[in-house]
Parts: sequence; C-alpha cells; structure tokens
Amino acid sequence: EAGVTQFPSHSVIEKGQTVTLRCDPISGHDNLYWYRRVMGKEIKFLLHFVKESKQDESGMPNNRFLAERTGGTYSTLKVQPAELEDSGVYFCASRTVWGPLTTYSNQPQHFGDGTRLSIL
Amino acid sequence: GNSVTQMEGPVTLSEEAFLTINCTYTATGYPSLFWYVQYPGEGLQLLLKATKADDKGSNKGFEATYRKETTSFHLEKGSVQVSDSAVYFCALGSGSARQLTFGSGTQLTVLP
Repeated sequence: EAGVTQFPSHSVIEKGQTVTLRCDPISGHDNLYWYRRVMGKEIKFLLHFVKESKQDESGMPNNRFLAERTGGTYSTLKVQPAELEDSGVYFCASRTVWGPLTTYSNQPQHFGDGTRLSIL
Repeated sequence: GNSVTQMEGPVTLSEEAFLTINCTYTATGYPSLFWYVQYPGEGLQLLLKATKADDKGSNKGFEATYRKETTSFHLEKGSVQVSDSAVYFCALGSGSARQLTFGSGTQLTVLP
C-alpha cells in the first residue's frame, strides 16, 4: 500500500509569488488533514477534509491560503501571495474511512514526508 | 482548548542510556494520545499510541502509559541506540475528526 505522498518536497519562492502544494492520501482514506510547522515550533493543524468537503478549517491562518480536494482524492494547498512568515514545513495526513466514532475514531493519521516551503 | 506540553530539547544521550521524554496534556473529553517520530530527512511516523486511561503503548522498545490522573504520556526507552536519533512529537487526538494537537517536539541525539 502506497503511503501519503506530497509534492514538491521542497519549494523556494520569492515573497509575493504563488505556490501550490499537493497531497495524495492513502487510497480509500476519506479523512485528509493539513498541518504546518513553522520555525521549529509545534506542528499546527490547518484544516480537515472528509472526502471533498471541508469539515474544519479553523486552523487556516488567513485568506491567502486556499485548500481544495476536488473529487475527494488528492488535495492542493495554495498560498497566494506568499509572505515570509509562511516559511515552514507543510504536512499532509490521511486517516481511514469516515464512520462511527467508536469504530474509527482511534485509527491513527498517516503522514507524508512534508513539503519544505522557503519564502525569500 | 487542547494543548500539549513537551519536554524541551535538545536531549543528548550516550548509547544504551535510559530515555525519558516528558509529555503532559490539557484536553476536554477523552482524547487519544500518540507519539510520532521524525527521522532525519523523513516524514512523521507513528511510534505508539494509547486510546484510554491506563493503556500502555509500545513499539521498538519505546513505551508510554496514558495517565489520566496526572494528564501525562511520558515516553521511555530502557536502552537507546544511535538509530533512535530523531525528533519526537507528543500529540493528542480529540473530537470526532480526531485532529491532532502536537507538542513542540524534542530533538534526541544518541552518541556512540
């Protein structure tokens, strides 16, 4: 079974440019999460998809960030325009099917290797 | 809201030394607790988990016990190896979506 894959592994762009990160979850996983780690601090939740729907986007920092998951498969996270403080590592994770809390709630999240984003 | 407080690093140990990385949490309800590890150049990997009070998670010689009375989930290993050098993250999962709240990470370096 292929794991969670993220593209690119590293992106270097200038302030004001646009960057799109991609995440391919494990096949069949309904839940897809985006997180980021900025400046060596804690990893923070950005948003959660269930299939193609945004279930919770309370962690999105501002409207320069746009996440999509068309068709409920892969997801993209676009930053437009990028600012210096957006530098960090962006992680994607996926988790099993969406179902009864008691059955699936304790299934762990599987993470990708992350995308290191550097804004110059 | 939920929070995880993790022992600050970096931690440097000699091979075969005993390891403890402290982790305490604040949460509503009944969270699940996790330790994730990030080896150099790799992504986050689940190391172990515990889903209810008094559960002990274990993997690769690492152990952690879910202590509700002290709201803790300390990571331990009796004899570390050079290959254990990595960043360790304590995390809790809560709510129906089980989104994760992470600690700040602890860099462990094991010297031969």
